Amino acid sequence: AQKVTQAQTEISVVEKEDVTLDCVYETRDTTYYLFWYKQPPSGELVFLIRRNSFDEQNEISGRYSWNFQKSTSSFNFTITASQVVDSAVYFCALSEAVNEKLTFGTGTRLTIIP
Amino acid sequence: DAGVTQSPTHLIKTRGQQVTLRCSPKSGHDTVSWYQQALGQGPQFIFQYYEEEERQRGNFPDRFSGHQFPNYSSELNVNALLLGDSALYLCASSHVVTGTRGTEAFFGQGTRLTVV
Repeated sequence: AQKVTQAQTEISVVEKEDVTLDCVYETRDTTYYLFWYKQPPSGELVFLIRRNSFDEQNEISGRYSWNFQKSTSSFNFTITASQVVDSAVYFCALSEAVNEKLTFGTGTRLTIIP
Repeated sequence: DAGVTQSPTHLIKTRGQQVTLRCSPKSGHDTVSWYQQALGQGPQFIFQYYEEEERQRGNFPDRFSGHQFPNYSSELNVNALLLGDSALYLCASSHVVTGTRGTEAFFGQGTRLTVV
């Protein structure tokens, strides 16, 4: 069975600090997909990134970066120079294929203090 | 281009009643999935519809049922409501390209269901 663990329940940092959100996953599949979603107070889950299991290249998108390490089954998310607008709940998720069901972690509530 | 839309946004029902939630997928998407998100938890997969058939199902009782219409919109029905059914119900749409390959899921803002 698939499982996603986000051990950090809540994180608070001062604006402009860097912050890393941890994600550890479990799966017996050799091919799988990892995702990060952001959930602002409005409730909608906003897609941030998708990563294939066979592509361990790290990715950077503006202030966001992702570190995928199959050896430790981790897919961590770093926000550089955090801003108040980054405050939200962030979810890591896992699926067998892009169009298959998502298994979510319990989320990390990130608060950026002005 | 409208994204995923859900209705209603909020709903209050009495224990034992039945409820129907609605979802219109993002334009160009043909697959609809439903998730239940309890307070402080991550979303839990209920089921997925593709080509008007239930394609996958999560660990939810038969009280939870769904339907997909020819225009790809979908309904989630919950019978005999329990207090524990109170949650945010999220609809997600995606597009199948070939087999299990497709786009990532785009989510609506959800329906907040409160059972009293």
